[in-house]
Amino acid sequence: GENVEQHPSTLSVQEGDSAVIKCTYSDSASNYFPWYKQELGKRPQLIIDIRSNVGEKKDQRIAVTLNKTAKHFSLHITETQPEDSAVYFCAASNTPLVFGKGTRLSVIA
Amino acid sequence: NAGVTQTPKFQVLKTGQSMTLQCAQDMNHEYMSWYRQDPGMGLRLIHYSVGAGITDQGEVPNGYNVSRSTTEDFPLRLLSAAPSQTSVYFCASSYWASGDENEQYFGPGTRLTVT
Repeated sequence: GENVEQHPSTLSVQEGDSAVIKCTYSDSASNYFPWYKQELGKRPQLIIDIRSNVGEKKDQRIAVTLNKTAKHFSLHITETQPEDSAVYFCAASNTPLVFGKGTRLSVIA
Repeated sequence: NAGVTQTPKFQVLKTGQSMTLQCAQDMNHEYMSWYRQDPGMGLRLIHYSVGAGITDQGEVPNGYNVSRSTTEDFPLRLLSAAPSQTSVYFCASSYWASGDENEQYFGPGTRLTVT
């Protein structure tokens, strides 16, 4: 089955700096790669996703890149703000959806 | 739409007790799944279903049973609770398991403590 590795497990950045979280996956048949944000005590919520026929996708300050050959994908957050502080999960899917272990991002004002 | 609902929100069980965590969605989603979330372990898949009458095991199925008799409901049964099952449980659903329209929507979670 699919195996998703996520790094780093914790990340601290100064407000306004960029944050990058990286994931690798094992199943070359996976074709859907979402990213979820989970605030303390809340449920995970989708922030951006990318499909296997696309190399990059951007939504305001958030972007995701996918390298299918290397089987890795990354989340980029620019101009970080304190409200970006949360746990971020990557996932990969060829049914079912499998998650990485998460990255706790702290944005220091 | 209520989205994905879970009951109860909190539950305390004694070792050996059984119980059912309820999950329901009103979005006509075919795909439903159960995850458990433990500190540092991310979201681990317990069981999933690609449609009514079809279920399959995820990464950590032992000690749990599921059934999917309707599209809307996907209950998770703990057969004989153990302290290792103390966790936060999330139910999620999406239109399909793969392809388009497979954004997963999560329920609010059930915090279970087994003493």
